[in-house]
Amino acid sequence: ILNVEQSPQSLHVQEGDSTNFTCSFPSSNFYALHWYRWETAKSPEALFVMTLNGDEKKKGRISATLNTKEGYSYLYIKGSQPEDSATYLCAFHNFNKFYFGSGTKLNVKP
Amino acid sequence: GAGVSQSPRYKVAKRGQDVALRCDPISGHVSLFWYQQALGQGPEFLTYFQNEAQLDKSGLPSDRFFAERPEGSVSTLKIQRTQQEDSAVYLCASSLVRTSGRNEQFFGPGTRLTVL
Repeated sequence: ILNVEQSPQSLHVQEGDSTNFTCSFPSSNFYALHWYRWETAKSPEALFVMTLNGDEKKKGRISATLNTKEGYSYLYIKGSQPEDSATYLCAFHNFNKFYFGSGTKLNVKP
Repeated sequence: GAGVSQSPRYKVAKRGQDVALRCDPISGHVSLFWYQQALGQGPEFLTYFQNEAQLDKSGLPSDRFFAERPEGSVSTLKIQRTQQEDSAVYLCASSLVRTSGRNEQFFGPGTRLTVL
């Protein structure tokens, strides 16, 4: 069984706080790591596709880093806004198929 | 432009009924994936199509599950003799090119299936 773990399971922050969460995956047979943002009643939306050890990607206030040797990726949100409230999913690809974590549910209070 | 659509959005079935879930991928997308997401879990891979060819069905949990994509566009996931453990959100995703873990997947909103 291939485990992809995300922590924390849920997170409550105040508007303006910066936050980060973790995706852990196997360090062997790494091919790619995807981050998705999933708002309730909507479709998961791709944030980043990360492929190289040391990759850092940024989209507005959201950024992500990748460490394939130790098997983790961090997602950072700077100055959280209520519209950032969503579940953030990571998915690991091992040359064969995708394996998803169970997500981190972020709630940003105004 | 139109994204991936799925229908129905919600389906309630009695145990033992057959159900059919539809996915309309983005036009021209070669790859199509089905995932099952149980409550509190992440999506789990069910099956993958490249055009009309089902190249991987290793994630289908039993022979009650069947998927097809006869013309390489719309796909249907059929579940026969539904059981309570089939209750889940079924997600469809498409990708422009042949499968590569480095290509972005575009997801539909999912179909929430509840089996009573």
